[in-house]
Amino acid sequence: AQRVTQPEKLLSVFKGAPVELKCNYSYSGSPELFWYVQYSRQRLQLLLRHISRESIKGFTADLNKGETSFHLKKPFAQEEDSAMYYCALTLENFGNEKLTFGTGTRLTIIP
Amino acid sequence: DAGITQSPRHKVTETGTPVTLRCHQTENHRYMYWYRQDPGHGLRLIHYSYGVKDTDKGEVSDGYSVSRSKTEDFLLTLESATSSQTSVYFCAISESTTSGGQETQYFGPGTRLLVL
Repeated sequence: AQRVTQPEKLLSVFKGAPVELKCNYSYSGSPELFWYVQYSRQRLQLLLRHISRESIKGFTADLNKGETSFHLKKPFAQEEDSAMYYCALTLENFGNEKLTFGTGTRLTIIP
Repeated sequence: DAGITQSPRHKVTETGTPVTLRCHQTENHRYMYWYRQDPGHGLRLIHYSYGVKDTDKGEVSDGYSVSRSKTEDFLLTLESATSSQTSVYFCAISESTTSGGQETQYFGPGTRLLVL
């Protein structure tokens, strides 16, 4: 079965410093990877997904199939980045009915 | 917000009572999902639906049932609530991308359920 691992439950970073949130997955096929973000008392929203290769709010993530990782990065953290971040995986060609989430990382940006 | 609402937004109930949560969407999306969010577990899929009267179990379906009698509504029922079902429940829908690629899930605002 597929699995998503986010090793850091909590991460604190100073404003202006680089941010990296780790995500590793286990699946033998070709998954689709996503990052979702949840700001305080708001609903989850899609931040980015690997297939679109976009940069959203300064965040990027590259799928590394060799290392089975999809780490989220931002070169300069901003206070509004404080939130809960979830990495998620779905199976290729299966549709999102099999979306699997990691346990999440709470990011706190220190002013 | 992709036209997704959940009701109620907050509920306190007692162990052993039945509880029904409602998810409503306004945009005729085919797929609808129920997740629960718990610290240390992230989001876990309870049940999902791929059409009217078509549902299937997710990862943590024990103690929950669902129904979808019309496209816009997806109901989650706890037949006899237990304290372990205290959680935040999120509904989600799937929307196909304009490029015809993989679908993206959009989430409702959540329902906070406390079972005493």
